[in-house]
Amino acid sequence: GAGVSQTPSNKVTEKGKYVELRCDPISGHTALYWYRQSLGQGPEFLIYFQGTGAADDSGLPNDRFFAVRPEGSVSTLKIQRTERGDSAVYLCASSLGGGVAYEQYFGPGTRLTVT
Amino acid sequence: GNSVTQMEGPVTLSEEAFLTINCTYTATGYPSLFWYVQYPGEGLQLLLKATKADDKGSNKGFEATYRKETTSFHLEKGSVQVSDSAVYFCALYYNQGGSEKLVFGKGTKLTVNP
Repeated sequence: GAGVSQTPSNKVTEKGKYVELRCDPISGHTALYWYRQSLGQGPEFLIYFQGTGAADDSGLPNDRFFAVRPEGSVSTLKIQRTERGDSAVYLCASSLGGGVAYEQYFGPGTRLTVT
Repeated sequence: GNSVTQMEGPVTLSEEAFLTINCTYTATGYPSLFWYVQYPGEGLQLLLKATKADDKGSNKGFEATYRKETTSFHLEKGSVQVSDSAVYFCALYYNQGGSEKLVFGKGTKLTVNP
C-alpha cells in the first residue's frame, strides 16, 4: 500500500517568506508526527497529533511554527517569516495509534532551504 | 532530560566484518529503545526495538540488547554486507506527562566495501 508522502520534496524560499509543507499519512493512521532533521543530526521532534488535535507541540521551536490536521488525515506544517536557521529536512511520520506499540512510518521528507 | 548518544561515524568496514555501533541513553523511567536505518535515497525505517530491560531486538541479522545497568543498546551484526551501507539512528521512546515522542541520536554512517 501507499506509504507516507510529503510534498514538496524540495522547497527553496527567501528569508522572511512563508512556507507550507504537506504530509499525507498512511490511510487509517490516527497518529501523526513532525520531525526536523538538520545536517549531520538525528531527527528532532516537533509536534504530535492524535486525530485532529495536537497532543504534544512541545518541540515547536517558536511561534513562527504552526501545524494543523483539520480532518484527522493530511497535515500541514506552516512556517512564518522563515530564517536561514530553518533550513533542514522536515520529516513526517504516522502510526496506527499513539504509544510505543505502534511503529512510526516515515515519509521521505521535505528539504527546506532558506536563502 | 532524555537523550541518546551514539558513536561518531563514519564507520567503514569490509564485507563480512563484525559491526558494533554503540548507543547509550539518559532517560527518566524505562523508555523503549529503537534502531532506525536510513538507506541512501530512502526514508527512515524501523530496524529493531526492545521495550524492556534484557529484551533483545533482532532483524536482518542485526541485534541489540536493552541493558538497563549500563543504559546501553548497542547494535551488532556478525557479518556485514555491502547492502548494509546506510545511516543508523538509535532512539528512545519517551512517554510522560502527556508528552510522547521519539528522541534520536545523531546517527552513524556505515559504509561497507566489497
